[in-house]
Amino acid sequence: EVQLVESGGGLVQPGGSLRLSCAASGFTFSTYNMHWFRQAPGKGLEWVSCISGSATAMFYADSVKGRFTISRDNAKNSLYLQMNSLRTEDTAVYYCVSPVLAAAGTNYWGQGTLVTVSS
Amino acid sequence: VMTQSPGTLSVSPGERATLSCRASQSISSNLAWYQQKPGQAPRLLIYGASTRATGFPARFSGSGSGTEFTLTISSLQSEDFAVYYCQQYYNWPRTFGPGTKVDIK
Repeated sequence: EVQLVESGGGLVQPGGSLRLSCAASGFTFSTYNMHWFRQAPGKGLEWVSCISGSATAMFYADSVKGRFTISRDNAKNSLYLQMNSLRTEDTAVYYCVSPVLAAAGTNYWGQGTLVTVSS
Repeated sequence: VMTQSPGTLSVSPGERATLSCRASQSISSNLAWYQQKPGQAPRLLIYGASTRATGFPARFSGSGSGTEFTLTISSLQSEDFAVYYCQQYYNWPRTFGPGTKVDIK
């Protein structure tokens, strides 16, 4: 069974930092790109970042470029999002998301972790 | 830029619902639809513009390519009332439409 479990969310002051983690299981993690998405309270969905399976390519939304860094540890089946210079508008539930897994016919989302940026 | 219409669609159970999604430039068939219910993570509904994801019944169908896409729910059931988002994965950054809320008429 595929599982994605995020952790690391919490309350942080503007300008602060936070590191999110996502533990993956049930599929060959190292062969797949992985994504972070987010959703601010009462708002729509926003893609945040993506990293290739080999960690040789990373992509970012303009809203987080230069502040957030995506990384992964394939030996630990883990995905990370280092968030620096946090702003109030970064307040959201952050989701770790897999691509569509052919055998499953769907993608997988974690349960989400809430990041609140507030003074 | 992805746009969706209408913003809200009020439909009676058993009726047909048609949701639209438009891309500002061609995205070929690199379009997904998501269903999201309150308090839940989104669920992938359609990918490749027309391939239904695992777990969704045949009353859901997607069509279109290029810049114009449609999600059709042939006969709405109570469990289908939700917000539906389209998302392009043709280029970076990946982008979502603002969503269409389907509620009970």
